[in-house]
Amino acid sequence: QSVLTQPPSASGTPGQRVTISCSGSSSNIGSKTVNWYQQLPGTAPKLVIYSNNQRPSGVPDRFSGSKSGTSASLAISGLQSEDEADYYCAAWDDSLTGLYVFGTGTKVTVL
Amino acid sequence: QVQLVESGGGWVKPGGSLRLSCAASGFTFSDYYMSWIRQVPGKGLDWVSYISTGGSAMYYADSVKGRFTISRDNAKNSLYLQMNSLRAEDTAVYYCARVFEGGADYWGQGTLVTVSS
Repeated sequence: QSVLTQPPSASGTPGQRVTISCSGSSSNIGSKTVNWYQQLPGTAPKLVIYSNNQRPSGVPDRFSGSKSGTSASLAISGLQSEDEADYYCAAWDDSLTGLYVFGTGTKVTVL
Repeated sequence: QVQLVESGGGWVKPGGSLRLSCAASGFTFSDYYMSWIRQVPGKGLDWVSYISTGGSAMYYADSVKGRFTISRDNAKNSLYLQMNSLRAEDTAVYYCARVFEGGADYWGQGTLVTVSS
């Protein structure tokens, strides 16, 4: 039931900047804050951006988030090999009572 | 530090039942809403259910409504998910996650539920 749309893949070489988009609607991204999760292979998701652009303690400042209208973006600057993972955006949705909706996920590959 | 440890997963036949548990530590459990989120191996994330701090309010995804029941025991710092009438499409890794105002922050390591004959 992925409601938010992300590109399936993104890639870059070490040191480059990679940007992942997340498209939603007025009932989710358009009216709610966006979070981003990183999921390394075989592990649980980890929150890397909350409230559109805030980093939890311990998350490198290479990770940044932004939101405009019904879309959001996650940027990873100075890409490192350990950033290779799946990334998911997420937000509450007003049209689906009590539901927290996720993006389709983007696999980031470090070339 | 915040720690969430799920247990109770396993193999069950279609139509069967399973009860998942999540033991929480490192924070004041009773101050937070809690949730269950699942992920079919190799696929995306799906919100299953969440429960209010005192346990009086529960929300469910349409796909599990009427079959799954979320509950909590604040005295034991534990979250539960009773899953009945299980279907093959319920096969997934089930994560317990703490809920903050903006969504889910800390997640457990997950427990695999396999529904198959």
